[in-house]
Amino acid sequence: QPLLTQAPSASGAPGQRVTISCSGSAIGPNPVNWYQQAPGTAPKLIIYSNDQRPSGVPGRFSGSKSGTSASLAISGLQSEDEASYYCATWHDNLNCPLFGGGTKLTVL
Amino acid sequence: QVHLLESGPGLVKPSQTLSLTCSVSGASMRLGSFFWGWMRQTAGQELEWIGRMHSDGSADYSPSLRSRVRIALETTKNQFSLTLRSVTAADAATYYCVRDRGFYPPNFDSWGQGLLVTVSS
Repeated sequence: QPLLTQAPSASGAPGQRVTISCSGSAIGPNPVNWYQQAPGTAPKLIIYSNDQRPSGVPGRFSGSKSGTSASLAISGLQSEDEASYYCATWHDNLNCPLFGGGTKLTVL
Repeated sequence: QVHLLESGPGLVKPSQTLSLTCSVSGASMRLGSFFWGWMRQTAGQELEWIGRMHSDGSADYSPSLRSRVRIALETTKNQFSLTLRSVTAADAATYYCVRDRGFYPPNFDSWGQGLLVTVSS
């Protein structure tokens, strides 16, 4: 049983809105970050502290958290959004960050 | 804009020590309140945190790797390093050096391009 659970895949057509979810008890007391990893590249931070966007990240990306789940929403889907998306939070007992297994987003 | 670049051997024999270096450009490691750390990603695409060190000398390590890993900063060279002892096949991965803004969980705002490490005799 993974400590942070993500669906392995998601898809959407250009222009649509897609939501990627992440769940686990460790999320409850801690913030969640989201990383985007395009094929052959390093991950990139796109959401931190549940819903904050780093400078340069388009407003099409938004994050939210409720209880022990978090979500990443991408509106106005574009072909360049095709990538894997990873959630991350902190595990208080293990005293280390946890990462979800990643959701591979396909733009149809 | 900060740029990170990993260097080191792409092949390590089982039981030996893996040593990697990260060269930082575009920013001084001595300025700002950042941690400098390492991540790795397995062939199955799982991301794993290895550890981080602050310029004040404080460090955090993954509990599963703590007994075998060491991170060191060489701020005069604007570099930092990773040493992982007694490697096994399970340590084969792409290794990334990262700049970390701190916090819990860490905010990795800059990543190196990654270095693929194979463990084989």
